[in-house]
Amino acid sequence: DIQMTQSPSSLSASVGDRVTITCRASQSIISYLNWYQQKPGKAPKVLIYAASSLQSGVPSRFSGSGSGTDFTLTIGGLQPEDFATYYCQQSYSTPPTFGQGTKLEIK
Amino acid sequence: QVQLQESGPGLVKPSQTLSLTCTVSGGSISSGSYYWSWIRQPAGKGLEWIGRIYTSGSTDYTPSLKSRVTVSIDTSKNQFSLKLSSVTAADTAVYYCARGILLTTFYFDYWGQGTLVTVSS
Repeated sequence: DIQMTQSPSSLSASVGDRVTITCRASQSIISYLNWYQQKPGKAPKVLIYAASSLQSGVPSRFSGSGSGTDFTLTIGGLQPEDFATYYCQQSYSTPPTFGQGTKLEIK
Repeated sequence: QVQLQESGPGLVKPSQTLSLTCTVSGGSISSGSYYWSWIRQPAGKGLEWIGRIYTSGSTDYTPSLKSRVTVSIDTSKNQFSLKLSSVTAADTAVYYCARGILLTTFYFDYWGQGTLVTVSS
């Protein structure tokens, strides 16, 4: 299985801040990387697919980049509704695997 | 708007079989190039993909659970199902069903709300 490692595991930030979350794969996954947002008690919601493509309906303050083994999710101008846990997921090989999550908390 | 809804017992005894069904509404389960998956999340932990089924009936499973998992599909009812045998407390989790779509890459675009399954005697 491909291991996905996110950093940091948790992050404190303020409304209006720009934040970056990193995801590293244990081997090259080209651009087969997706990002999800999960709020407490809710199912995950896809934000970014194929490393940098914004899912329909997702605000443009979310952006993704990277290829190979290193990827980033950037949120430009944090809004109150953005405080949640974020997961990366690789779809390069079966089984699809997720990172351990990054919890974004209000400072 | 596609919607998915999990259903099944919330409590399963150790060594028994966990059975869940996902009902898809707002679209036909057999139309399009979709993968129908099960994913679980123990309390306070991350997401683990369990397995998926294509409308053709072919399946893939995660290796660590493969010997205990069966995913099936009933296109006449617009449902797909999960069976996990010989459960232990380690199988206690929120179980999600999700639709996988292939658009440049494969990702999960619609999810059920999740159902908590507790394994306990």
